[in-house]
Formats: sequence, structure tokens, C-alpha cells
Amino acid sequence: DGGITQSPKYLFRKEGQNVTLSCEQNLNHDAMYWYRQDPGQGLRLIYYSQIVNDFQKGDIAEGYSVSREKKESFPLTVTSAQKNPTAFYLCASSTSSGNTIYFGEGSWLTVV
Amino acid sequence: GDSVTQMEGPVTLSEEAFLTINCTYTATGYPSLFWYVQYPGEGLQLLLKATKADDKGSNKGFEATYRKETTSFHLEKGSVQVSDSAVYFCALSDRGSGAGSYQLTFGKGTKLSVIP
Repeated sequence: DGGITQSPKYLFRKEGQNVTLSCEQNLNHDAMYWYRQDPGQGLRLIYYSQIVNDFQKGDIAEGYSVSREKKESFPLTVTSAQKNPTAFYLCASSTSSGNTIYFGEGSWLTVV
Repeated sequence: GDSVTQMEGPVTLSEEAFLTINCTYTATGYPSLFWYVQYPGEGLQLLLKATKADDKGSNKGFEATYRKETTSFHLEKGSVQVSDSAVYFCALSDRGSGAGSYQLTFGKGTKLSVIP
């Protein structure tokens, strides 16, 4: 089945450590996105990429980094510079000509 | 910038009750409008969408009409079920900074609980 796969589903990180969340899609979509969700805050855009080897900062990019070396993959690294990383992270994708964005199942990151 | 405002929850209804979740938006252009649903511990699923004024999106008994004159996209369902318990997000899509890119702006979500 086509879709967006995020892993791991649950991740625990010690303070000061970097951690990478995986996002893979087999929908042949050009654009991919990372959102962060906090309780009562809705979703906020971290980074997005329209094409391989190119990406743009969203509203809350500080403390995060991404890469887009392959069309189907858009990993997100949460660095130690992110002061409050505990959240639910959602990856999404869309075609370049469409305006409907599809989401993965999400990854829970907890700092311990 | 673009923004979406939804009614605050939580909303608690009895089974078979009528549901309305209000959503209003501000946007500079002609956005598309969406409702997404999120079940506990899961990602977001597209529930319905409308791409131009007066369009009605519908799915699984839910409906919403794109009202440009009132800048609204209220979600309705005539008879809710326990399985409809979830968080509902209203969103608008506008073109991003680059060609071919679309970005979603979300409301804060409304939690719906349906009791038997």
C-alpha cells in the first residue's frame, strides 16, 4: 500500500543528545513536510522540501535540521539546541501540483 | 498572514446528536479549506476539503461548505457516533514561497467526545 512511514513511533532522548526521526513515502510525491504538535497548540511547520536537495525553513526551524537526498526520504534531526523538544512530530507529503497534504502516523519524542 | 480559528473544545455530545464545529479563516488569496481528523495516538487523516467558494466537501456523513462571504468552513454531522470521538482540525492551504509548494495553516483543534 502507498503511504507515509514514520519511525520510530516512540523515542526517548537524554538532554544534550541529537536524535533523528525517519520519514519515508512511496507516493511519488515531490514535496515533504515536518510538523510539530503540542497539546492545545495545533500543528506548526518546522521544515519543508519541494524537491530533492532543496528545503526551506518553516515557522519553528530553530534547533532542527533536515536533509532531502532522495525523493522518498526526508529525515528530521532534533538537535541539542532545541530547548523543548518533547512533542508529537508529524511528517507529510504532497504532489507539487496538488494542494492536499497527506500525513504519516507520527512519532512521539520525549526528553528524559 | 493566514490564520484559522476554531471553536474551543472539548465538545461532549450524546450519540445521535447533531454536531457543529465552527471554523473561520483569514487569508490574502483564495485558499483551499480542509478538515482533518486525528484519532488518539495517530496521525492526521483528511476528512474533507473544498477548493473554491460555495463548494461543499463531504465524507462519512460529515459536511462543510466554503463560505467566502463569511470566511467560514463549519463542520457538521447530523448524527454522531461513539466512533467519531477524535480531535478535528480545520486548515487552509495557501501557496508557499516557492512554485509548486503548498503550506497548511491549522486551527488549534477541537476535541469531540461522543457518549453512548
